[in-house]
Amino acid sequence: DQQVKQNSPSLSVQEGRISILNCDYTNSMFDYFLWYKKYPAEGPTFLISISSIKDKNEDGRFTVFLNKSAKHLSLHIVPSQPGDSAVYFCAASGMNRDDKIIFGKGTRLHILP
Amino acid sequence: NAGVTQTPKFQVLKTGQSMTLQCAQDMNHEYMSWYRQDPGMGLRLIHYSVGAGITDQGEVPNGYNVSRSTTEDFPLRLLSAAPSQTSVYFCASSYTGQANEQFFGPGTRLTVL
Repeated sequence: DQQVKQNSPSLSVQEGRISILNCDYTNSMFDYFLWYKKYPAEGPTFLISISSIKDKNEDGRFTVFLNKSAKHLSLHIVPSQPGDSAVYFCAASGMNRDDKIIFGKGTRLHILP
Repeated sequence: NAGVTQTPKFQVLKTGQSMTLQCAQDMNHEYMSWYRQDPGMGLRLIHYSVGAGITDQGEVPNGYNVSRSTTEDFPLRLLSAAPSQTSVYFCASSYTGQANEQFFGPGTRLTVL
């Protein structure tokens, strides 16, 4: 039973346009949500996070939106750049110290020239 | 700081052999975890630890053992390797189990014949 779902395995976006990556979750106990970026043959790197008490968090070109009622979050990248081509993982966790962090299956983003 | 280091980078085992994947971090992080990444499956949590002397199971713990005798080290042991354990293994660490970003190692690519 997938608790964190990324339903789009891949996404292609023109350079300079907006990239929108989506993530859905089923566990209403999740309180923190994170996005990681992964290049081939490297470990994932943290990108941006959001707490369930917020509905938006922005960091430069990256913005994460959280809709708790829909159990949905999205990552917006504006403008998209060639270096953004990577696999993006959505992750979620509860607020307790012992809570596990659960990852989605990832979305591969291709930025087209 | 070296961050999170993993050894070896590559390993080939025969079915039934045992081995230990090493993971170390020099950031004094309490939380450490092991993930495996398989095609189309994303990152799945194997075991995690919220501090020295404390470990717990993740989503896919069968066939793996861990221990956490020091804050810095979190080795993953395969007791009797099986072809189903062919995967890329990532170790990660963070200050706490949630909210804070996890730092990932570069990964170990394991093939079991």
